[in-house]
Amino acid sequence: EAQVTQNPRYLITVTGKKLTVTCSQNMNHEYMSWYRQDPGLGLRQIYYSMNVEVTDKGDVPEGYKVSRKEKRNFPLILESPSPNQTSLYFCASDLAGGWGEQFFGPGTRLTVL
Amino acid sequence: AQSVTQLGSHVSVSEGALVLLRCNYSSSVPPYLFWYVQYPNQGLQLLLKYTTGATLVKGINGFEAEFKKSETSFHLTKPSAHMSDAAEYFCAVSESSNDMRFGAGTRLTVKP
Repeated sequence: EAQVTQNPRYLITVTGKKLTVTCSQNMNHEYMSWYRQDPGLGLRQIYYSMNVEVTDKGDVPEGYKVSRKEKRNFPLILESPSPNQTSLYFCASDLAGGWGEQFFGPGTRLTVL
Repeated sequence: AQSVTQLGSHVSVSEGALVLLRCNYSSSVPPYLFWYVQYPNQGLQLLLKYTTGATLVKGINGFEAEFKKSETSFHLTKPSAHMSDAAEYFCAVSESSNDMRFGAGTRLTVKP
């Protein structure tokens, strides 16, 4: 089954404790992206990757890091989480470089205390 | 840069009634337009998209949308709402590679 998986689905942590949210896709897509979803703001892009070893900032990259060592995986790293990073996070992949149909993971709900 | 405005953060309809979710966009070039649906506790999934050609686009689950360039609109409609249509709907616009912008979303409630 073609899918994007994320782990964990739910996470409660404390300020300053490093965490990683994993994302994996099995569709051989070159393009992958991370979004955060906040009420009334829709989805905002954090980082994206056009291909392996190629990543770039989206609209709200502050406080986040990513890496793309393999085509299928695109982890999101919060080195020192803060409460304003409490949000719902989605990973997505796309066959068409980010302007075709995007396939989304199920989401990770993060709470930073 | 392109942007999307969804009119109405919440829409409530009765089962069997017409669903109309409004989306207006701004774009300096012919855009690609999308509607995504998000069911509770799930990621977004594509309902339909407009790229070029026919301006009336049909999607899954009986939804359709019409691209109206003169009105810069891409409203989503469904003739008869079902309880299972209750979800959040997002309109999105893209002008180029990795340049997709999402609206703030419209939550649809369907009353029995």
